[in-house]
Amino acid sequence: KNQVEQSPQSLIILEGKNCTLQCNYTVSPFSNLRWYKQDTGRGPVSLTIMTFSENTKSNGRYTATLDADTKQSSLHITASQLSDSASYICVVSGQGSYIPTFGRGTSLIVHP
Amino acid sequence: NAGVMQNPRHLVRRRGQEARLRCSPMKGHSHVYWYRQLPEEGLKFMVYLQKENIIDESGMPKERFSAEFPKEGPSILRIQQVVRGDSAAYFCASSSGGENYGYTFGSGTRLTVV
Repeated sequence: KNQVEQSPQSLIILEGKNCTLQCNYTVSPFSNLRWYKQDTGRGPVSLTIMTFSENTKSNGRYTATLDADTKQSSLHITASQLSDSASYICVVSGQGSYIPTFGRGTSLIVHP
Repeated sequence: NAGVMQNPRHLVRRRGQEARLRCSPMKGHSHVYWYRQLPEEGLKFMVYLQKENIIDESGMPKERFSAEFPKEGPSILRIQQVVRGDSAAYFCASSSGGENYGYTFGSGTRLTVV
């Protein structure tokens, strides 16, 4: 069964600090992995998308990494801001499948 | 490019009424997905549609729920005889197709059943 597990479930950090969110998956055969940011009361917004051959992708202060051998991904947020407070969702697609597998998300709270 | 448009943003229904949720995909997108999100939980897949076709409805409850994506007009998610457990945020996403194309999500419809 395809699964995506994210950790930690929730995280509280101080403004300006860095943090790293984790995503482990069992989806096979693998096609791509995406990270989304979901603000409270809003729809998810795409941050990065990586395919099998890519192991790092950056989008501003967000850097995603992918290790397709160990089936792990991380999202690193640098110099956090209050506006980074949101849920971060890892989504993995399998080859030939139109239905990706969603993680439950990591809830990040950035305090001033 | 207006993105994925969902309406209404908020919908209140009494138990037993019908709820109709609308989703207009991004221009050029012919694939629509519906997801449900309960408070403090992740997004759960409900149904995947292309124009005039339901491709996969494996996540949709067998009773009271239906979805369509007509040749003209928005995709509609219909919930008949709503119950309190149907209260959730319903998100629509669209894509131009294929596993390597990113989704674009709408802002969701928050359904409250009283």
